[in-house]
Amino acid sequence: EAQLVESGGGLVPPGGSLRLSCAASGFTLSGSGMNWVRQAPGKGLEWVSYISSGSNTIYYADSVRGRFTISKDNARNSVFLQMNGLRAEDTAVYYCARSPGTNWFDPWGQGTLVIVSS
Amino acid sequence: EIVLTQSPDFQSVTPKEKVTITCRASQSIGDTLHWYQQKPDQSPKLLIKYASQSISGVPSRFSGSGSGTLFTLTINSLEAEDAAMYYCHQSSSLPFTFGGGTKVEIK
Repeated sequence: EAQLVESGGGLVPPGGSLRLSCAASGFTLSGSGMNWVRQAPGKGLEWVSYISSGSNTIYYADSVRGRFTISKDNARNSVFLQMNGLRAEDTAVYYCARSPGTNWFDPWGQGTLVIVSS
Repeated sequence: EIVLTQSPDFQSVTPKEKVTITCRASQSIGDTLHWYQQKPDQSPKLLIKYASQSISGVPSRFSGSGSGTLFTLTINSLEAEDAAMYYCHQSSSLPFTFGGGTKVEIK
């Protein structure tokens, strides 16, 4: 069974940095596109970033472009989200999710909470 | 950016009733529309892909239809465990976007 487990969330001051990790099991990342999707407290879902199976195609939402960097380590079967220049509006639960190409998201991890506050 | 507008925002339904949720896209997206269910304090779960394709393990009472700009998620014979938020999502063009969600409550 394909599973994803995120880690790395926490409390960080505005302007700070955080690196999220997403460990995959039950499938290999080398054959999968991966995404980060976030959900602010009490709000809806917002797609953040996508990386292709070969890591040669990367996309970002305008709200994070230039501040966030997605990467993948196939040997560790993990995907990462380096978040710099964090803002209060980045406060959210961050989910990683697999996608075949740039299509539906399945499965999703359990999420990791990022709080940006002084 | 393609905007997805879901309606209604909230629906209170008695068990065994039929539920219909609509998702309208601001421009044509073919069938690149997917549906998710999110229960309280859980991550989203894929229900329907490509507008109408069923997902293994998802109860058959969930079905989807539509193409272009208008899509529908139908829950036939609602069960208590179906209380959740439901989101549509388009993968036609960047940025990938989600509808605002529909909350289904059990009366």
